[in-house]
Amino acid sequence: AQKITQTQPGMFVQEKEAVTLDCTYDTSDPSYGLFWYKQPSSGEMIFLIYQGSYDQQNATEGRYSLNFQKARKSANLVISASQLGDSAMYFCAMREGLNQFYFGTGTSLTVIP
Amino acid sequence: DGGITQSPKYLFRKEGQNVTLSCEQNLNHDAMYWYRQDPGQGLRLIYYSQIVNDFQKGDIAEGYSVSREKKESFPLTVTSAQKNPTAFYLCASSYLGMGYTFGSGTRLTVV
Repeated sequence: AQKITQTQPGMFVQEKEAVTLDCTYDTSDPSYGLFWYKQPSSGEMIFLIYQGSYDQQNATEGRYSLNFQKARKSANLVISASQLGDSAMYFCAMREGLNQFYFGTGTSLTVIP
Repeated sequence: DGGITQSPKYLFRKEGQNVTLSCEQNLNHDAMYWYRQDPGQGLRLIYYSQIVNDFQKGDIAEGYSVSREKKESFPLTVTSAQKNPTAFYLCASSYLGMGYTFGSGTRLTVV
């Protein structure tokens, strides 16, 4: 089974609107971490947000928030007030244990003016 | 500023040549990783190292080799045995299970 599943290969959003990028995960480890990364066309991977499995509240970082639904094993990224600069690939990732990481296949987001 | 430096940014390899991609970090991270990314695809793990002088194969290690003689450095050699090496290569490091810090990547092209 896939450890991280991103079912949206491509998404479009109007500038200034909010968008949700889906991510589901599979683990039996009670301690894990969930991450979202942004990859613009330049190729660098930019860390956006982190959610620990024991965190009670959803993580937020500026315009980014992580909708963490533990029972459903989902960790969707919500970007509010989309900007043209948000156009990029977005990867969901999970850490099991100390250093075992898994990445999803990514979602390409295009922000339309 | 702490970070990861990958060099070169662009690399061209002739058929049958070995090439080495550099990855250096000054974050004092124990774990380092090499990933390959093909166009429009996700990341695939080549090798990782959790401690100096030790490294493990990832999902696609064939045709690649690494060394970890120093904590700061984790070079990747793409050997002539790698039949389709054209890709984007990302190096990353992490500390005690926190998230990855990535380098800016190396684009390797076979000419």
